[in-house]
Amino acid sequence: ETGVTQTPRHLVMGMTNKKSLKCEQHLGHNAMYWYKQSAKKPLELMFVYNFKEQTENNSVPSRFSPECPNSSHLFLHLHTLQPEDSALYLCASSQDRVGRVRSEQYFGPGTRLTVT
Amino acid sequence: GNSVTQMEGPVTLSEEAFLTINCTYTATGYPSLFWYVQYPGEGLQLLLKATKADDKGSNKGFEATYRKETTSFHLEKGSVQVSDSAVYFCALSDLGGKGGATNKLIFGTGTLLAVQP
Repeated sequence: ETGVTQTPRHLVMGMTNKKSLKCEQHLGHNAMYWYKQSAKKPLELMFVYNFKEQTENNSVPSRFSPECPNSSHLFLHLHTLQPEDSALYLCASSQDRVGRVRSEQYFGPGTRLTVT
Repeated sequence: GNSVTQMEGPVTLSEEAFLTINCTYTATGYPSLFWYVQYPGEGLQLLLKATKADDKGSNKGFEATYRKETTSFHLEKGSVQVSDSAVYFCALSDLGGKGGATNKLIFGTGTLLAVQP
């Protein structure tokens, strides 16, 4: 596997279910990100992890719970979601050096989530 | 705060036509600028980037020049193909998180390009 992978690619869940999204990066990067992409809205940054430490939580509801056990893996745990949470969830990674030129982010293919 | 404004789509062109997608930004400091492309059913792919004023990023026939005086980063291609049909996102880097340690990307809303044979 190369680049950034995400599983599952598609997920349908009820509002009372608990599920998890998984992201893995094979690029040796030290930062990982969760984004939400909804129709007709700009990409929304949800969470950022740097060296496994959460450095950004963009006012995301607590029904979304991230976990970063190491620099290569990132999870998004989902529970009691609402239909408006249906969207494409994208994971990304980058190699960051504080104080240096900002590096590009590499994205996974996304998980298409439908909440019924 | 920092922001990115892209021309609204969809942009519909015939094959071999010239493409311009406008992007302007508002930023303090000296951000890096990026163009990403998203093909149907896929995630975002980095298309090109520029890290300082007057830099030109290029890839696959696409080009964009970092213009600080006009705060712009317009995407151009001399001859589009049907396979270029996708959504194009302009983005700038920003700092966030604790002590500015987080590398954030601020995205435009995306421009849908449809190329007809």
